[in-house]
Amino acid sequence: NAGVTQTPKFRVLKTGQSMTLLCAQDMNHEYMYWYRQDPGMGLRLIHYSVGEGTTAKGEVPDGYNVSRLKKQNFLLGLESAAPSQTSVYFCASSRGVRTEAFFGQGTRLTVV
Amino acid sequence: QQPVQSPQAVILREGEDAVINCSSSKALYSVHWYRQKHGEAPVFLMILLKGGEQKGHEKISASFNEKKQQSSLYLTASQLSYSGTYFCGTEYKDSNYQLIWGAGTKLIIKP
Repeated sequence: NAGVTQTPKFRVLKTGQSMTLLCAQDMNHEYMYWYRQDPGMGLRLIHYSVGEGTTAKGEVPDGYNVSRLKKQNFLLGLESAAPSQTSVYFCASSRGVRTEAFFGQGTRLTVV
Repeated sequence: QQPVQSPQAVILREGEDAVINCSSSKALYSVHWYRQKHGEAPVFLMILLKGGEQKGHEKISASFNEKKQQSSLYLTASQLSYSGTYFCGTEYKDSNYQLIWGAGTKLIIKP
């Protein structure tokens, strides 16, 4: 039972490059989330999805795009990476907003 | 509006108790507590859905005071395994499925 799996675990990008982070969950959860975590700031929601084919903006959506073409997958894209996007990115999934969320192991992204 | 967690950090000896507070400037609909160990993902502890609700989880419990717009996490007879950073996630009535997270409280337990 894998839970929530994120790929890749580490990545270094040059400013202006693009990349996609993949999140996959095997728990048949409707809700999926992308967070970024910076030192001393807790978790900040980037985008989220309440079901297959739906996406919505969170607190800090600028510079990111997402897609949820299949229920089990939630992709986070950076079209033109900036140093300010250096962070640890976590994906999470849950049955509902007021239920336990399961987090992936995180992706450490450095933009130079 | 990010909830305010206090204290920012606390150091305890094994067996001592701790209280971590999560305060909001807006009316809360639910409060979620998670613990994160260094380099790992956050792990769920509990959710409080109603004002006045209290929950327990082994020696870790929490309360939700709707009037004060505050939740408190209680760790009793702390163990080394309780070390980590504790986060509260708050849901407001107009949150639209989103949780707003506090900056975290770092708990260090020494033997």
